[in-house]
Amino acid sequence: QQPVQSPQAVILREGEDAVINCSSSKALYSVHWYRQKHGEAPVFLMILLKGGEQKGHEKISASFNEKKQQSSLYLTASQLSYSGTYFCGTVTSNTGKLIFGQGTTLQVKP
Amino acid sequence: GAGVSQSPRYKVTKRGQDVALRCDPISGHVSLYWYRQALGQGPEFLTYFNYEAQQDKSGLPNDRFSAERPEGSISTLTIQRTEQRDSAMYRCASSARDTGYGYTFGSGTRLTVV
Repeated sequence: QQPVQSPQAVILREGEDAVINCSSSKALYSVHWYRQKHGEAPVFLMILLKGGEQKGHEKISASFNEKKQQSSLYLTASQLSYSGTYFCGTVTSNTGKLIFGQGTTLQVKP
Repeated sequence: GAGVSQSPRYKVTKRGQDVALRCDPISGHVSLYWYRQALGQGPEFLTYFNYEAQQDKSGLPNDRFSAERPEGSISTLTIQRTEQRDSAMYRCASSARDTGYGYTFGSGTRLTVV
């Protein structure tokens, strides 16, 4: 079951903050976040594990609400380089199969 | 290697031909994944391996698609009797293990079936 991301698109000015949400209909083992720029491969940002452990970037943070089966990615003081499409991916079993959401396009303007 | 390497970068094939897409993961990475990505969409899961064992192939669209990783390193995704609907970007990724680690994606193979 594909996770649902919201919003579909965001336009920001440099320095503004953004939140991207990811919601699953199934219990989550872990949530991944990736950023993809046009014409490039997705790049790993962060993983959130059941039990609260996080691994990822210093300047990007995320939350993982296991009970609500949701995760949110927080981008603070956005920079032009933050522009791209953000994907969450969810693992809903112990098999390691990662299913990606449909993506959220973020555009940061000067 | 330093990153995940995929070849060829671009492949144009005639309908009905077989194609083989290759993925060379990061050295030492246990897990290797194949995804397909349409323009403007998220990667779509196809299959994955731990070492040489195929753990999950539930995403392979039909029996024309197969994958192998015989020595637990390089993997090949094979599409037999290609159809126009198979045209897409095929991406490979690897990770240290299948749980608890992020993926490193390769640059992908753009397959066009004419």
